[in-house]
Amino acid sequence: EAAVTQSPRNKVAVTGGKVTLSCNQTNNHNNMYWYRQDTGHGLRLIHYSYGAGSTEKGDIPDGYKASRPSQENFSLILELATPSQTSVYFCASGGTGKAPLFGEGTRLSVL
Amino acid sequence: GDSVTQKQGQVTLSEDDFLFINCTYSTTTYPTLLWYVQYLGQGPQLLLKVTTANNKGISRGFEATYDKGTTSFHLQKASVQESDSAVYFCALVVSGSFNKLTFGAGTRLAVCP
Repeated sequence: EAAVTQSPRNKVAVTGGKVTLSCNQTNNHNNMYWYRQDTGHGLRLIHYSYGAGSTEKGDIPDGYKASRPSQENFSLILELATPSQTSVYFCASGGTGKAPLFGEGTRLSVL
Repeated sequence: GDSVTQKQGQVTLSEDDFLFINCTYSTTTYPTLLWYVQYLGQGPQLLLKVTTANNKGISRGFEATYDKGTTSFHLQKASVQESDSAVYFCALVVSGSFNKLTFGAGTRLAVCP
């Protein structure tokens, strides 16, 4: 069964700290994405990747880095977390011609 | 760039009422238009997909239609149930974009029994 798994599901971080959100997919999809969801904005694309070793900036990349070490794994990195990055983060994977499949989300609070 | 406007932030209906949600879009290429549904505590899941070729999609009692003339697309259901309570997102994807989605702001549907 197609799956996208995110970890952790909940995270509390301190301002200025480093945060890493992880995503694993078992769908053999080339494309992976990180979105954040905020009320009134829907989901906005932070970074995406079209294969192992690639990362590309999305619409709101400032303050975030991404890493795609393998086909299955895609991480989102906040080097210096700020309260404005408090949000719900979703990872997704997608293949050619296929609508992206989303994970269950990670709720991040930066205090 | 591509954009999607979804103005209905909240819709409250009673069971068996008719549902209609509208989105408008702007893009310079031929889009595929999608509807995602997000239940409480879950990630968005694909509900319907409409291409410019077929103009309509149907799934789980929901129907999505697309109007190229007004660059709008709609989601409707003849008779909603309490279990349809969720957030509905419209989105578009353009070919050659690695299937990146541009989302609307979402419509929260509450169905009262």
